Amino acid sequence: KAGVTQTPRYLIKTRGQQVTLSCSPISGHRSVSWYQQTPGQGLQFLFEYFSETQRNKGNFPGRFSGRQFSNSRSEMNVSTLELGDSALYLCASSLAQPGANVLTFGAGSRLTVL
Amino acid sequence: AQKITQTQPGMFVQEKEAVTLDCTYDTSDQSYGLFWYKQPSSGEMIFLIYQGSYDEQNATEGRYSLNFQKARKSANLVISASQLGDSAMYFCAMREKKDRGSTLGRLYFGRGTQLTVWP
Repeated sequence: KAGVTQTPRYLIKTRGQQVTLSCSPISGHRSVSWYQQTPGQGLQFLFEYFSETQRNKGNFPGRFSGRQFSNSRSEMNVSTLELGDSALYLCASSLAQPGANVLTFGAGSRLTVL
Repeated sequence: AQKITQTQPGMFVQEKEAVTLDCTYDTSDQSYGLFWYKQPSSGEMIFLIYQGSYDEQNATEGRYSLNFQKARKSANLVISASQLGDSAMYFCAMREKKDRGSTLGRLYFGRGTQLTVWP
């Protein structure tokens, strides 16, 4: 079955702009989580959505937001981009069931802010 | 304090040899889960193995095994018979119980270990 699909894979923006990243989860997965990966901070949790509701949020400013649609697809938005927002943004989906509940990640969207 | 510590920024191993990647964790929860992921240069995180805190047996998945020592709070990944394709960044991660009530999608990751397999 198809994996987690993230678009776009690469993008370049300038400071002050905004960006929207998209994530299509594995069919049947209702939970979508977003992570930011940078060389300096490593992998950091941004937020998780389940049934169109944000269930948890990491320690990021309000410029970072997201949403989930009824088909479980998710988008995240970063407004007023800063140089420090340059990162690999990873989306992961899961069944949201007790137990291991393995997160399956997409290939990421690599954002460069100039 | 760091929830996940990976002390080896880089490791080198010869093809067909075994290698151990270290991971220690910090949590006050009795119930938690530990994961290992592999990230090749392409960027995608690939799940390798999972260990629940109440699992009495060490987890194994093919050439991967997890050496779980609960009292020492360590969860080392052992890769047997290394292959050239194993060269990648390896991340240890943890899910805590207090996150399970509200979310199952939050993992705490270590900084990773870059494994290089040479012929």
